[in-house]
Amino acid sequence: AQSVSQHNHHVILSEAASLELGCNYSYGGTVNLFWYVQYPGQHLQLLLKYFSGDPLVKGIKGFEAEFIKSKFSFNLRKPSVQWSDTAEYFCAVNARNGGYQKVTFGTGTKLQVIP
Amino acid sequence: EPEVTQTPSHQVTQMGQEVILRCVPISNHLYFYWYRQILGQKVEFLVSFYNNEISEKSEIFDDQFSVERPDGSNFTLKIRSTKLEDSAMYFCATKGGGGGAQEQYFGPGTRLTVT
Repeated sequence: AQSVSQHNHHVILSEAASLELGCNYSYGGTVNLFWYVQYPGQHLQLLLKYFSGDPLVKGIKGFEAEFIKSKFSFNLRKPSVQWSDTAEYFCAVNARNGGYQKVTFGTGTKLQVIP
Repeated sequence: EPEVTQTPSHQVTQMGQEVILRCVPISNHLYFYWYRQILGQKVEFLVSFYNNEISEKSEIFDDQFSVERPDGSNFTLKIRSTKLEDSAMYFCATKGGGGGAQEQYFGPGTRLTVT
């Protein structure tokens, strides 16, 4: 069974600070990896995804993530956060195949950006 | 861009009542999912549905829950007799068929409040 760990539950940063949110997954096979963002009171929005190829993936709003297979990690980064990045961020994984595999989410990291 | 839609956006019901949550998948998608997110917690998988039958369900998806595609388009989640602990945001997700389709597309969610 797959699982996802997000190490930071609550992160507080000042505007313009750099961000790195940790994500590790556990699964014996090949996976697809995702980062979702949930702004207060809103639904899940896909930030970026990794299926295959270049392990450094770029998403929307200046976010990027790097897949390090040897570490089972998929950390999310942004060089300079803005107040509008205040939200909850979820790392997610599913098994890479063409079937019905469910997505497993991490517990989320609440990011608070102080102006 | 095509998107998954869900109705209603917010449903308030009394304990013991039946509720039906509706999802309109992206056209030509073949895999369907329900997830839920209790306030302040992570998103949890409930059930996956393919070829008119349940592919996988979690331990949360007990006999009080059921899913169907009554008219070949809408995908519904029914809770037969709601409990207070069913209060959550319910997300529908759909995925295309074929080996190349890897990403699930999430709807905006239905907030269910059981009083």
